Amino acid sequence: AQRVTQPEKLLSVFKGAPVELKCNYSYSGSPELFWYVQYSRQRLQLLLRHISRESIKGFTADLNKGETSFHLKKPFAQEEDSAMYYCALRGTSGSRLTFGEGTQLTVNP
Amino acid sequence: EAEVAQSPRYKITEKSQAVAFWCDPISGHATLYWYRQILGQGPELLVQFQDESVVDDSQLPKDRFSAERLKGVDSTLKIQPAELGDSAMYLCASSPKNNEQFFGPGTRLTVL
Repeated sequence: AQRVTQPEKLLSVFKGAPVELKCNYSYSGSPELFWYVQYSRQRLQLLLRHISRESIKGFTADLNKGETSFHLKKPFAQEEDSAMYYCALRGTSGSRLTFGEGTQLTVNP
Repeated sequence: EAEVAQSPRYKITEKSQAVAFWCDPISGHATLYWYRQILGQGPELLVQFQDESVVDDSQLPKDRFSAERLKGVDSTLKIQPAELGDSAMYLCASSPKNNEQFFGPGTRLTVL
């Protein structure tokens, strides 16, 4: 079975502060990990995926297979980063995406 | 820019009634997904189509839910009869085969 856990439902930081959204997973194999974001009144959209190793909007995430984690980080949060963030896992190519419950990030001015 | 379309955006129905949702994926996307998102939770896959074929419906409550994608393009998700616990956001997504999923705006269902 595959499972994704986001331990924080709510996270609040000030503008310019570092931010880390935690994601832990359970999967007996080599997973693909993703972060999706949903801004207010917008659609759910892909933010980044671990296989591309990109930095999107200043966010990065590293897959740590030893700790089974895929935490999302940004060194200096901006107010426009306020959104709901979902971590997701895909086990084998073409198989289902399993989402975590999400973390609501609020960046205060 | 092409987007996934869904209708209706909102639906209020009474329990035991039938309800249907429609999704039009991005043109050329072979894979179509229906998700249910209960308030405070992440999306949960109900059914996945590859062209017109169902490839994963393991989480679809088949006693009351059905989904079809007859011509491999648009899709309909039906609930009959609706129950109170079906109140949720129903999301449709599409992707080129096994690639990034693009989500629609969702249909918010309220069952009274």
